[in-house]
Amino acid sequence: KQEVTQIPAALSVPEGENLVLNCSFTDSAIYNLQWFRQDPGKGLTSLLLIQSSQREQTSGRLNASLDKSSGRSTLYIAASQPGDSATYLCAVRGGSEKLVFGKGTKLTVNP
Amino acid sequence: GAGVSQTPSNKVTEKGKYVELRCDPISGHTALYWYRQSLGQGPEFLIYFQGTGAADDSGLPNDRFFAVRPEGSVSTLKIQRTERGDSAVYLCASSLFTSDYNEQFFGPGTRLTVL
Repeated sequence: KQEVTQIPAALSVPEGENLVLNCSFTDSAIYNLQWFRQDPGKGLTSLLLIQSSQREQTSGRLNASLDKSSGRSTLYIAASQPGDSATYLCAVRGGSEKLVFGKGTKLTVNP
Repeated sequence: GAGVSQTPSNKVTEKGKYVELRCDPISGHTALYWYRQSLGQGPEFLIYFQGTGAADDSGLPNDRFFAVRPEGSVSTLKIQRTERGDSAVYLCASSLFTSDYNEQFFGPGTRLTVL
């Protein structure tokens, strides 16, 4: 059974800092991995999707990497801003169509 | 264009009652998913539709939960004899088609509270 773990559970940083969020998964047989952002009381916003054949994806200040063989992904956020404060969720898709999620990392960027 | 929409945004009901939650996927998306998110947890898969048929309902917790998608667009999640443990945010997602890429787009969710 696929299990996804996100470390740390919470992170507080000053504005402008570069930071890394970690995601690990137990079964390396995945089709893709998606990073989401969730604001309090809201749904999920898709940030980046990495296919199993890819090593990384970039969108603006965000860069996600994937090391499938070791079961790890990282989300790098450059020059963090208070508006980046949210919970970041990692999800993997294995042999079925469903996504298996981690519990998320709650990020607070302080002005 | 319009994203995934869900109604109602909030639903408060009493234990034992029946509830229906509605999801409107992105136009043209053939795949539709339901997830449930409890406080402090990541979303957990419930059921997935490809077109009108439920392709995978392995995440439904018990037979009180049922979902339909009769015309291959709007979906309704139905919960009978609600219990306090059913309280959660119910999220719906859709994707254009199933493939290795298959990016899922989520709606804002319905917060269900069972008193």
